[in-house]
Amino acid sequence: GAGVSQSPSNKVTEKGKDVELRCDPISGHTALYWYRQSLGQGLEFLIYFQGNSAPDKSGLPSDRFSAERTGGSVSTLTIQRTQQEDSAVYLCASSLSGRTYSGNTIYFGEGSWLTVV
Amino acid sequence: SQKIEQNSEALNIQEGKTATLTCNYTNYSPAYLQWYRQDPGRGPVFLLLIRENEKEKRKERLKVTFDTTLKQSLFHITASQPADSATYLCALRNAGNMLTFGGGTRLMVKP
Repeated sequence: GAGVSQSPSNKVTEKGKDVELRCDPISGHTALYWYRQSLGQGLEFLIYFQGNSAPDKSGLPSDRFSAERTGGSVSTLTIQRTQQEDSAVYLCASSLSGRTYSGNTIYFGEGSWLTVV
Repeated sequence: SQKIEQNSEALNIQEGKTATLTCNYTNYSPAYLQWYRQDPGRGPVFLLLIRENEKEKRKERLKVTFDTTLKQSLFHITASQPADSATYLCALRNAGNMLTFGGGTRLMVKP
């Protein structure tokens, strides 16, 4: 597609349920990022995939959070046993390369709005 | 620890004036710094990138400066318009290759 596509755009779930959020990056982009943004807050890094390298999971807040990227393209962020504090916008982004000095622009999707009730 | 600081208070200016936003960082040695715009309910959109060996970068009404000695970047919007009202985020890449964002500054341009 022309841009980063995320689904669902909105999700309301009950506390304790699992949710899956999907990200379809721009074709050809090897780097993929997940960020979380709570209401009125800045972007919190979650996880980063670069090509076939092991992902940087250093931002995942707990072991309830996991992500995978299949075939170097689509990524799924999974939150198990959701809690109310997980309510936020989950933003996915991609870039041509994530290498430090590449300076490649990263393109964001419109986010998946998660509400845990 | 590494920090990227932006003024969390909203900046209110009159249409036609120049808006100046600040991004300060500590414990980074960035090769470049980026600025993004975020509208409510939308994902951030890339605006400008400035490299460590560049003092200033311009794009239309936007100007970014980068002072690696002060560890500061300034983002200017000249002849501001109400349509420029948004949150502006600066971002740096850390040693782990991930792009880390400041908390953003909300700009309100009043007609």
